[in-house]
Amino acid sequence: EVLLVESGGGLVKPGGSLRLSCAASGFTFSSYTMNWVRQAPGKGLEWVSSISGSSSYIYYADSIKGRFTISRDNAKNSFFLQMNSLRVEDTAVYYCARGYCDRTTCYNWFHPWGQGTKVTVSS
Amino acid sequence: DIVMTQSPDSLAVSLGERATINCKSSQSLLKSFNNRNYLAWYQQKPGQPPKLLTYWASTRESGVPDRFSGSGSGTDFTLTISSLQADDVAVYYCQQYYSTPPYTFGQGTKLE
Repeated sequence: EVLLVESGGGLVKPGGSLRLSCAASGFTFSSYTMNWVRQAPGKGLEWVSSISGSSSYIYYADSIKGRFTISRDNAKNSFFLQMNSLRVEDTAVYYCARGYCDRTTCYNWFHPWGQGTKVTVSS
Repeated sequence: DIVMTQSPDSLAVSLGERATINCKSSQSLLKSFNNRNYLAWYQQKPGQPPKLLTYWASTRESGVPDRFSGSGSGTDFTLTISSLQADDVAVYYCQQYYSTPPYTFGQGTKLE
């Protein structure tokens, strides 16, 4: 069974930092693009960042560029989101989600998703 | 960036009736080299993560009931639930994965 489990969320003051983790199991982790998607309270879904299997390709949403850093450790089947200079508007549930890759190409629809970790930025 | 716009924002449908949700993209999601539309649909129930329903606009994910069907091409897409069940009450999102990021979602349609 493919499983994704997030951790690392919590309450932080504006300007603070948090590091989210996503532990993966049930598939060949290094072969897949991994993603972070967030959902502010009562709002819709917002893609945040993606990292390819070899970390060769990394992308960020404009809203977090320069403040967040995505990384992965294929030996530990985990990937991360380092969030610095946090703002009130970063308050959200952060989901990790896997992309889809066949033998030659990766496509970024998201399946499966983790249960999410809540990040609250407030003074 | 590709903008995804869903309609309606909310929808009330009786049990057993058909539900139709629309999604429009600001540019075509069809790639000619493989004739595929780069669009996915998700269902999100309260307190749960989203669940993939369809990809390539109309390919149902394994385990998704066949009452869910996706259709459309280019810039106009539809998710249809042929006979609404109580368990289908949720928010539905479309998402494009056409090119390099950002991968954008529609604003969501709340089905009641």
